Amino acid sequence: NAGVTQTPKFRILKIGQSMTLQCAQDMNHNYMYWYRQDPGMGLKLIYYSVGAGITDKGEVPNGYNVSRSTTEDFPLRLELAAPSQTSVYFCASSYEGLYGYTFGSGTRLTVV
Amino acid sequence: GDSVTQMEGPVTLSEEAFLTINCTYTATGYPSLFWYVQYPGEGLQLLLKATKADDKGSNKGFEATYRKETTSFHLEKGSVQVSDSAVYFCALSEDAGNNRKLIWGLGTSLAVNP
Repeated sequence: NAGVTQTPKFRILKIGQSMTLQCAQDMNHNYMYWYRQDPGMGLKLIYYSVGAGITDKGEVPNGYNVSRSTTEDFPLRLELAAPSQTSVYFCASSYEGLYGYTFGSGTRLTVV
Repeated sequence: GDSVTQMEGPVTLSEEAFLTINCTYTATGYPSLFWYVQYPGEGLQLLLKATKADDKGSNKGFEATYRKETTSFHLEKGSVQVSDSAVYFCALSEDAGNNRKLIWGLGTSLAVNP
């Protein structure tokens, strides 16, 4: 049972480059989320999805985009990377909110 | 809006000491309450939860009781171990049974020394 799988684990981007952070879950969870975690800070919600084809903005969506074409996958797209996007990114999923969230192991992104 | 306030860290304890991490909340509805733990270099894991007033969540020796009268959900453990060193996050759902979005505390770092 893989749970939530995030790739890559680490990435260094140059300013202005783009990339996609991948997130997949095999638990048939309908809700999925993207968070960023800055050093010494809590979690900030970037985007979330309550099912395939449905996405919505969280607290800090600027500079990011998402799509949810299947129940399993929820990729996060960074366009025109900026140093302010240096962070650790976590994907999470939940089934109707009944049992809490399951988190991936994170992607550590550095923009230089 | 709903919010969660945790005690600031870092908290440093000796092994076998008693642990309390305070968490208080404000909510307009009837939220579920959660504690998550993040070990170094890892993602967050659900530690325990409570879905209604007076419920006690427990796991791995940790406990927390949902106190509606004091709007609190303090995390406790009777005897901490070095392996408990981690960051602990308190969170609430917007409504009981519906945590499509959790509201998070800022986290409390715990370091346990041998």
